[in-house]
Amino acid sequence: KQEVTQIPAALSVPEGENLVLNCSFTDSAIYNLQWFRQDPGKGLTSLLLIQSSQREQTSGRLNASLDKSSGRSTLYIAASQPGDSATYLCAVDDTGTASKLTFGTGTRLQVTL
Amino acid sequence: DAGVIQSPRHEVTEMGQEVTLRCKPISGHDYLFWYRQTMMRGLELLIYFNNNVPIDDSGMPEDRFSAKMPNASFSTLKIQPSEPRDSAVYFCASSLAGGAYEQYFGPGTRLTVT
Repeated sequence: KQEVTQIPAALSVPEGENLVLNCSFTDSAIYNLQWFRQDPGKGLTSLLLIQSSQREQTSGRLNASLDKSSGRSTLYIAASQPGDSATYLCAVDDTGTASKLTFGTGTRLQVTL
Repeated sequence: DAGVIQSPRHEVTEMGQEVTLRCKPISGHDYLFWYRQTMMRGLELLIYFNNNVPIDDSGMPEDRFSAKMPNASFSTLKIQPSEPRDSAVYFCASSLAGGAYEQYFGPGTRLTVT
């Protein structure tokens, strides 16, 4: 059974710092990996989706990388801002037939002024 | 598009009552997913539909839970009878197709069963 772990569980950084969030998964036979953001009391917002054949995806200040063989993904946030404060979740699809996602436990990020 | 729409946003009910949660997916999306989020268990997939047909309901906790999708623009998740341990946030999500496409989540329904 696929297990997805995110470390650290919580992170606090000052504004302007670059930071890396980690995601690891036990079964490397995945079809894609998705990073989400969740604001308190809100739903999830998709940030980036990486197909298994890709190594990374970029969107603005966000860059996600994928290393299938080692079962790891990272989300890099450049020049962090207070508005980046949220919980970040990664999720993997290891079924290939549909986006049946297994979610990680999330990293709660706080960017301070 | 207005995104995935869920109703109600909050539901408080007494143990034993029937609860119905509703979802309208993004127009044109072929897949619809129901998730439950709790502090203890995180985000769990309950069931998903493809073209209105339930494909995998292995995440449905027990027979008290049922889901339907009578047409491409509407789905319900019903709990009967409800129990306090069902208290959670229930999310509906939809995607254009399987595998290669992102899932878009609704704002969720916060259910409290007293």
